[in-house]
Amino acid sequence: DIQMTQSPSSLSASVGDRVTITCRASQSISKYLNWYQQKPGKAPKLLIYEASNLHRGVPPRFGGSGSGTDFSLTITYLQPEDFATYICQHSYSNSWTFGQGTKVEIK
Amino acid sequence: EVQLVESGGGLVQPGGSLTLSCAASGFIFSGYWMSWVRQVPGKGLQWVATINQDGSAKYYVDSVKGRFTISRDNAQNSLYLQVHSLRAGDTALYYCARLYSPAYYSPLDAWGQGTLVTVSS
Repeated sequence: DIQMTQSPSSLSASVGDRVTITCRASQSISKYLNWYQQKPGKAPKLLIYEASNLHRGVPPRFGGSGSGTDFSLTITYLQPEDFATYICQHSYSNSWTFGQGTKVEIK
Repeated sequence: EVQLVESGGGLVQPGGSLTLSCAASGFIFSGYWMSWVRQVPGKGLQWVATINQDGSAKYYVDSVKGRFTISRDNAQNSLYLQVHSLRAGDTALYYCARLYSPAYYSPLDAWGQGTLVTVSS
């Protein structure tokens, strides 16, 4: 199985900061990397698909990049509603795995 | 508005069985692949199973193969997960989710609120 490793596991940031979260796959997954946002007690929401495509309705301050094994999610100008857990997921094969999540907390 | 509403969770003894259901509305259910994803409260997400539009293709995580069965009834706009031989490690919130496009490499663009399965004696 393909393992997904996110870093950091948590970070503290302030409103207005630029934040970058990375996700590494244990083997190449081409562009098939998706990012989700999850808030406490809520289901995940799709942010980015196929590494860099912004899902409809997602603010443009969210951006994704990468291919192969190394990917990143960047949030420019962090907003209060962005404090949440961010989770990567590969969909390269028909057996998916998720990263362990990165919790973005208020500094 | 797309809605996915799960039901059928509960407390079950080890070795027991349940059938989880997901009622879909607000979109043409028969046109979408669907999945189940679970999450131990406070922990990460784990993909469980995926089914294509007509049910002819089904995929499972290794840890549930032979114990869980994903199915759908397009006439009833419903997705199901039959879970058997339950173990403590199956305790989780089970989400029903829709694939964005009709292919296994598609992301999950709509999620329900989940139904909790607790396996305990």
